[in-house]
Amino acid sequence: QQQVKQSPQSLIVQKGGIPIINCAYENTAFDYFPWYQQFPGKGPALLIAIRPDVSEKKEGRFTISFNKSAKQFSLHIMDSQPGDSATYFCAATPMITGKLIFGQGTTLQVKP
Amino acid sequence: DAGVIQSPRHEVTEMGQEVTLRCKPISGHDYLFWYRQTMMRGLELLIYFNNNVPIDDSGMPEDRFSAKMPNASFSTLKIQPSEPRDSAVYFCASSLAEVRGRKGYTFGSGTRLTVV
Repeated sequence: QQQVKQSPQSLIVQKGGIPIINCAYENTAFDYFPWYQQFPGKGPALLIAIRPDVSEKKEGRFTISFNKSAKQFSLHIMDSQPGDSATYFCAATPMITGKLIFGQGTTLQVKP
Repeated sequence: DAGVIQSPRHEVTEMGQEVTLRCKPISGHDYLFWYRQTMMRGLELLIYFNNNVPIDDSGMPEDRFSAKMPNASFSTLKIQPSEPRDSAVYFCASSLAEVRGRKGYTFGSGTRLTVV
């Protein structure tokens, strides 16, 4: 019930490609779904987040798609750049508790 | 704001020794979280506090681990005695509940612990 399952574990795309990272959850109490980006030697940093009352959110080149009935959400990176190479984590929490649970992470490499 | 500050950045210690990791959250934040990151297990939530009170410590691996938050600006995670399997990067994060939906959780740069 507490788990967030993320796939794939790693991803390699060419510059300009659109990597897609998928996450699934079971706990229906989750109502806040952020994505974090982590560079080597740094802590995770908030990239974009969505609440379950919307099906899509865009911020710049990053888009979250959310399917409440399937309990799945995904991150799309448009026009990916080598600087996007990092580890991406999906996460989920019930806002009332704030207990943030992370997926296993996806290591993305964008080749020039 | 300087962000979430963790110390030390790196710690190498011998098995059996006591290790203390420190965290200063962002001023005004009311939640503080301790996470452990390893290749095998990813980012695991160990414990979190609300207004300095521990709310959920179900992620603390065993009695060798303890965490305290004596005031709103300081928290410690202690491992005693340390074991090689405790080697990991430990992150502290803080958040403000009323803006969590917009600003999320802010992480420190982590403490890389190596137990030899």
